[in-house]
Amino acid sequence: DSGVTQTPKHLITATGQRVTLRCSPRSGDLSVYWYQQSLDQGLQFLIQYYNGEERAKGNILERFSAQQFPDLHSELNLSSLELGDSALYFCASAQLALTDTQYFGPGTRLTVL
Amino acid sequence: SQQGEEDPQALSIQEGENATMNCSYKTSINNLQWYRQNSGRGLVHLILIRSNEREKHSGRLRVTLDTSKKSSSLLITASRAADTASYFCATDEKNRDDKIIFGKGTRLHILP
Repeated sequence: DSGVTQTPKHLITATGQRVTLRCSPRSGDLSVYWYQQSLDQGLQFLIQYYNGEERAKGNILERFSAQQFPDLHSELNLSSLELGDSALYFCASAQLALTDTQYFGPGTRLTVL
Repeated sequence: SQQGEEDPQALSIQEGENATMNCSYKTSINNLQWYRQNSGRGLVHLILIRSNEREKHSGRLRVTLDTSKKSSSLLITASRAADTASYFCATDEKNRDDKIIFGKGTRLHILP
């Protein structure tokens, strides 16, 4: 158990819908990262938050947004969902810097029908 | 384009044999990390090697780093069934701390 929790575990929804994925980092970790993992694209870095502020952006679509709250939990919002958004979404946390060891949550499997 | 790329894409070996996976990257780095992922689960950090280190050990794991060739290898000795997983290398870019890139991984299958 990494200490990072993600909810929900599975999510099945329809195209055009909007969903919110939630992540709670390990106690004491200030950084939260979001990744998307699909079969054809591999593990793609989406975005990083550090202590409530956006720190780095990767291959995140404009339809996607995220935030980190004062209690350090984070949410990833996916809107206008398309079939291609079906993937595993992972959250990871680390103490400080991007190059610290990242601890991954169990992931949320999103299926868009 | 990928910063880190693992090779081979897939590897099957007999239990007890050693498994070697390689990672090549394009730019100068600060650190290189190896992670393991069991099917459908989150990634688990295995080992971090800094750019000024050449070799690091952790249990049955041995990681080497050759910055002149921009490559790293992960050796798992005396493999076990529980080592069946995908293995990813992750690299950053030197003098940048805003991006870490994972390769597409090597799928390792340990045969009984």
